[in-house]
Formats: sequence, C-alpha cells, structure tokens
Amino acid sequence: DADVTQTPRNRITKTGKRIMLECSQTKGHDRMYWYRQDPGLGLRLIYYSFDVKDINKGEISDGYSVSRQAQAKFSLSLESAIPNQTALYFCATSDRATGELFFGEGSRLTVL
Amino acid sequence: KQEVTQIPAALSVPEGENLVLNCSFTDSAIYNLQWFRQDPGKGLTSLLLIQSSQREQTSGRLNASLDKSSGRSTLYIAASQPGDSATYLCAVREDSGAGSYQLTFGKGTKLSVIP
Repeated sequence: DADVTQTPRNRITKTGKRIMLECSQTKGHDRMYWYRQDPGLGLRLIYYSFDVKDINKGEISDGYSVSRQAQAKFSLSLESAIPNQTALYFCATSDRATGELFFGEGSRLTVL
Repeated sequence: KQEVTQIPAALSVPEGENLVLNCSFTDSAIYNLQWFRQDPGKGLTSLLLIQSSQREQTSGRLNASLDKSSGRSTLYIAASQPGDSATYLCAVREDSGAGSYQLTFGKGTKLSVIP
C-alpha cells in the first residue's frame, strides 16, 4: 500500500459543485501539503499544515479550503468548483528531520 | 525569490548512454535539494535528497551532486534504460530548516530513452 494515499484518483464535476479531495498517510509525518500541477506552470503550493492545529495558506489558496482531521489525514475542498481549477492535485508529507518530501499518486480533477 | 531552472526541457538519448540532467537555482541559501521522477499522470517519486552540507548522493545508477556556491545540481544517470523515461524534477528547500514550507520546484526535464 502507498504511504500517501489520495482519493478519488479521478473526478469529473460541474461548475459550482463542492468537491473534496482526501489524503491519508502512514509515514507518521506531522507536515502535510496540498499542491496543484498544471502544464507549463509546474507545482504550486495551495495549503500546508505542520500539525493538527496548524493550517497555513500557500501561494494559490483562493477558492480552496483544507481540514486537518488527524495527524494522518488532510483534505482539500473546493467550495464551488470552476473550470480553471481543472488540474492534477497532489498531497505530500515531509520528514521533520530531513525535510524530504513524499508525494501521493495524485487526484486528477476536471471541472466542466 | 528563489528561481529553479531545468535545462533542457526535453532530452532524448539512445539506450545505454550515460546522461546528465541539470538544475540551477538563484539563491544559494538552501537547506536541501531533492530530485524526483514523475511518470505521466502519476505522482512524484523521490530519487535523491542532498542536504546543503553534502556534495553528492548516490542510489544505484543515479548520482546527484550539489554545488551551492554556483547554484547548481546535476543528476547523473548511468547506462540509461527505456524504463528511465520520465520527467525529472528538482526542488530546492529554503534555508530556514527542515520545517520550512518554502520549496521551489523546477519545471522538469522530460527524458526519453530510445531502445
């Protein structure tokens, strides 16, 4: 089983719908992140959390919210999806001591 | 603001060739640098992590070097195989410790190894 698991892996939805992407990890890391990847733009940070009570905005947080339900779970929500949120979304964790980053397999979201 | 550049954007080599992928960064005050591999539509797999105090790291046929003063890292792949075909990304973590959230990614080099 993957150390960082994302669900769903693929989702097609319509403009205005609420969407939640979920992430769970078995690495025991307290640091978790949500990124989006777009062709030509690379990876951009949406939100990050360094423990259950810590939530921070990244560079592109508008239109997104997150919830850290437990050390192992970090979910990303789109309250009202729009087409330019079509992208590949990644959850990641990092090791406190080394800073090494570990990614999930990604969630491909298409907003029509 | 840190900028990370990977040149070339794409590279095609025949099987068996040794090759070097480049990563350059503008601010030498880094905590570490990490190389990843990404297959199409998949997640990023960590290949090698080099801390700022290290000069190189090796894993199998892969060797990554770091020269902070010149703002460069290279990923050397020996005896390339078709299975090495993927996009390779580097990411630099700013020098405020392992807890820093500030990672800057390059846009990657897409490698194709031709049988």
